[in-house]
Amino acid sequence: AQSVTQLDSHVSVSEGTPVLLRCNYSSSYSPSLFWYVQHPNKGLQLLLKYTSAATLVKGINGFEAEFKKSETSFHLTKPSAHMSDAAEYFCVVSDRESPGASYDKVIFGPGTSLSVIP
Amino acid sequence: NAGVTQTPKFRILKIGQSMTLQCTQDMNHNYMYWYRQDPGMGLKLIYYSVGAGITDKGEVPNGYNVSRSTTEDFPLRLELAAPSQTSVYFCASSYPTTDTQYFGPGTRLTVL
Repeated sequence: AQSVTQLDSHVSVSEGTPVLLRCNYSSSYSPSLFWYVQHPNKGLQLLLKYTSAATLVKGINGFEAEFKKSETSFHLTKPSAHMSDAAEYFCVVSDRESPGASYDKVIFGPGTSLSVIP
Repeated sequence: NAGVTQTPKFRILKIGQSMTLQCTQDMNHNYMYWYRQDPGMGLKLIYYSVGAGITDKGEVPNGYNVSRSTTEDFPLRLELAAPSQTSVYFCASSYPTTDTQYFGPGTRLTVL
């Protein structure tokens, strides 16, 4: 069965410093992995996704993530934090539950709240 | 192209009342989902649908019902509202499930 662990419930960085949000997953087959961002009182927006192509995925707003199968990780990074990056970030895994399953099951991680200090 | 729309935006219910949360998408997506988000928590899948006439339970289906008579619409029904159903509800759609999920703006429901 799939699962997603976001190792930090809250991360605080200074503006202009790097961002690292950690995500580990468990999946039996060939997962697709996503990062979504949710700004306060807003809906969710896709940042980036991995679907078995290049392992280093570039997303919007300067974010990127690297899929590491050996470590079952999909950490989200950004070289330089901006005040507008303050939000909740969700790591998501999508995969078949069994070989015979006709569609994927989608699991959200619990989220990491990112604060950016001026 | 409106994407995924949800109505209402806000609602307050009394215990035992019923209501339907509406969700419509105009992207011709086969897959649709209902999630709930409790304060400080991630999203929990309530129900999902892989096409008109096909629905299945997610992680937290108790107290809810869904139907999918058309590709566009995926309403969520609460029959006997309980305080534990106070949450923000998000509808999403995608085609197929390995592609991006597009989210609606959410419905904030309070049950008193």
